[in-house]
Amino acid sequence: RKEVEQDPGPFNVPEGATVAFNCTYSNSASQSFFWYRQDCRKEPKLLMSVYSSGNEDGRFTAQLNRASQYISLLIRDSKLSDSATYLCVVNLANTGNQFYFGTGTSLTVIP
Amino acid sequence: ETGVTQSPTHLIKTRGQQVTLRCSSQSGHNTVSWYQQALGQGPQFIFQYYREEENGRGNFPPRFSGLQFPNYSSELNVNALELDDSALYLCASSQPTGLFNEQFFGPGTRLTVL
Repeated sequence: RKEVEQDPGPFNVPEGATVAFNCTYSNSASQSFFWYRQDCRKEPKLLMSVYSSGNEDGRFTAQLNRASQYISLLIRDSKLSDSATYLCVVNLANTGNQFYFGTGTSLTVIP
Repeated sequence: ETGVTQSPTHLIKTRGQQVTLRCSSQSGHNTVSWYQQALGQGPQFIFQYYREEENGRGNFPPRFSGLQFPNYSSELNVNALELDDSALYLCASSQPTGLFNEQFFGPGTRLTVL
């Protein structure tokens, strides 16, 4: 079983739409959580860390549900520039800061 | 930009050859992690170096090796290249200070094995 699972999509949404991605992780000892964004043929870039209480950064909201072992990312008022692959990342405790990545969810925002 | 640099940007090798990839970490970061990203997949953890010592290793064979230098830059070496080694190789630097040890990625080296 994979450490992190994501729906690969693709998600095709119109500009202005709200879209949500979910991600599940298998190890209850997972310690910290992140969403990264990756544009085509580029490196992943940190979008946001995910705090236990949930957190918001502009149009982006991240939630963590430890009981169900899933993480979500909500994007409101989608922009064309949001088109990218969104990677869910977890870090296990006591693994020397080893990151486990999901396969990524592809988003295309359509004019 | 993250300040993490990698070289070369692209590389073409043939099966059985050896390759060395290089990474310079962000200023102030003492930890470098290496990842392999195959097409359509998420990055897979190869190993991590902290203060010149290996500090965790993923499920990769021993022909994947590395080292970290006193200035915290790092190298990834792959011996006896196989076709399946074709991928984007990413390094990420971080400065472990607490719970959220964000990693910052370099632009990657795209390796093609023929």
